[in-house]
Amino acid sequence: SQTIHQWPATLVQPVGSPLSLECTVEGTSNPNLYWYRQAAGRGLQLLFYSVGIGQISSEVPQNLSASRPQDRQFILSSKKLLLSDSGFYLCAWRVAGAKDTQYFGPGTRLTVL
Amino acid sequence: AQSVTQPDIHITVSEGASLELRCNYSYGATPYLFWYVQSPGQGLQLLLKYFSGDTLVQGIKGFEAEFKRSQSSFNLRKPSVHWSDAAEYFCAADNTGGFKTIFGAGTRLFVKA
Repeated sequence: SQTIHQWPATLVQPVGSPLSLECTVEGTSNPNLYWYRQAAGRGLQLLFYSVGIGQISSEVPQNLSASRPQDRQFILSSKKLLLSDSGFYLCAWRVAGAKDTQYFGPGTRLTVL
Repeated sequence: AQSVTQPDIHITVSEGASLELRCNYSYGATPYLFWYVQSPGQGLQLLLKYFSGDTLVQGIKGFEAEFKRSQSSFNLRKPSVHWSDAAEYFCAADNTGGFKTIFGAGTRLFVKA
């Protein structure tokens, strides 16, 4: 069966520090991968999605970036965090080319102080 | 533009009462439709989905949803709510390209004893 992992589970970082959040998927090949953010009391905001290694589409221009160095690995990064980057970050995957269910990871709670 | 609207930001129901969460979509054609549930601090879990066929869809945890093309709606229902149903519920739809899922803003459900 397929599983999706995210780490760390929680993170507290100072403003201006770098960020790296990692997401890995097991049990499937060539998935579509997604990064979402939830700010407090708000819905899901799609940040990035990827349909293959090295292929990243950005939905919202900001100081975050994403990379997909391996088929089942998706990384969210920032060189300098802002207060507004605080939130709950969710990674998700779905079968490539299919209009079907997205499967979500457990999320990372990021607090920028 | 494609969109998914959940008109109710939050709803409070008594335990044992019935529940209906509203969802409307705006798409050029009938999209694939989903309902997800998110417990606090966790990722999203699929409750049910509609692709085609029978317009009444059964899901997990006793939930069902009815697709109504004439109203562009996909409302979620449960005949008797349990305290453990307290969570946030997201309606979602696939865009025609199949890469992205568009989520509604979510409805937070509170259950009172």
